[in-house]
Formats: sequence, C-alpha cells, structure tokens
Amino acid sequence: AQTVTQSQPEMSVQEAETVTLSCTYDTSESNYYLFWYKQPPSRQMILVIRQEAYKQQNATENRFSVNFQKAAKSFSLKISDSQLGDTAMYFCAFMKRVASGTYKYIFGTGTRLKVLA
Amino acid sequence: KAGVTQTPRYLIKTRGQQVTLSCSPISGHRSVSWYQQTPGQGLQFLFEYFSETQRNKGNFPGRFSGRQFSNSRSEMNVSTLELGDSALYLCASSYRGDNYGYTFGSGTRLTVV
Repeated sequence: AQTVTQSQPEMSVQEAETVTLSCTYDTSESNYYLFWYKQPPSRQMILVIRQEAYKQQNATENRFSVNFQKAAKSFSLKISDSQLGDTAMYFCAFMKRVASGTYKYIFGTGTRLKVLA
Repeated sequence: KAGVTQTPRYLIKTRGQQVTLSCSPISGHRSVSWYQQTPGQGLQFLFEYFSETQRNKGNFPGRFSGRQFSNSRSEMNVSTLELGDSALYLCASSYRGDNYGYTFGSGTRLTVV
C-alpha cells in the first residue's frame, strides 16, 4: 500500500526567507503524480504544485518549487521569499490510477507552516 | 468562474441523528470526491462520483453514503451519527477525475454532540 510521510508537523520561517517542507512516499508504482496542497485558515485546499513522476524536471510555480528525487521517493517543497499569506497547513499528496478512468489520492498528515513578520 | 460550493459551512447535530451535506462543483466538472478531515486521521477518502455513478469508495461504514445528480451536484449523507463523525468534510471536483489535481471547497464543519 502507498504511504505518504511528512515528518515535520510544524515549521516557522521569517518573512522573505526560504523554507523547505519534506515529504517522502512509498510505492511500487512507476507512473504516478505528486502534489502539494495548501490549506489556509479559510479551510479551502488550494493546489500549489504538481509533478509527474515520469518527468525528471522539477516543477516550479513562481515562488514554489519542488525537489523530486524519484529513486529516493522524496518530494520536498521549497518556498522562496516567504510571505505572510503563505501561513497555512501544507499537504503532500500521491496520486495513481487505480482503474480505468479513476485515480486515488493519498495525503500526508500535513505540515503547519507559520511565516513570521 | 464560481468555485466549489459546500453547504452548510457549519453544522451541529446530536448523536443518532442523520445529516446531509451538499456540494456544487465547478461548472463543467463531472467528478466529485468527498474527504473527511480530522486532526488524528488527516484526510481520508470517502467516495467519488462521476456522471451520477459512484466509481470509487473508501473504507468507511455503510452509514456514509452519497449520490450525484444530473447537474453534477453531489450530496453525502451520514446516518446514525456518532461522536467520532465530528470532522471537516471536504468536497473536491475535477473535470473527469483526472490527474491534474482537484479544486476543493471550503468544507462543512460537522460537530456531533
């Protein structure tokens, strides 16, 4: 069975600095997708970044980038120039196809990030 | 473009009662998934509906059920509520349950007393 582990329950970072959130996963699949979602106090989960496992190039979205190490099954999120609005719970998620036309998500337990002024 | 709308936002129910939660997906999205989020268990998958058919189901008891209407709106129902059902229930929609990621609603916070 697939598992997703986020080993940092809480982190803090000073505004404008860089922080890295860790995520490891366990799977025997070769084709899958990885995501980082952000959940601010408003509760809505927001997609931050997506990575396709068959692509070696690390995904980037503005200040957000990932370090995807497929062999090590590691998928960390780097937030550059941290802003107060980045304060949220961050979830790492693994997705694979389970049957024709459907996918299965497995979420990590989350890392609570606080950006300090 | 309107986002995923979940109603109600908050709900308080008594043990033994039943509850119905509603989710309206983004216009054009045909897949709706439901998740239960608790501090102890994190996000747990309940079920997914596509074109009015349940095509994936998580490991929850039969007290949890759902349905999807022809306009893609979805409801989930929990019967005979237990204290442990207190949670944030999140709905997520996508065009067809594909791998581009979901759009989530803000959830319904259910408290069972």
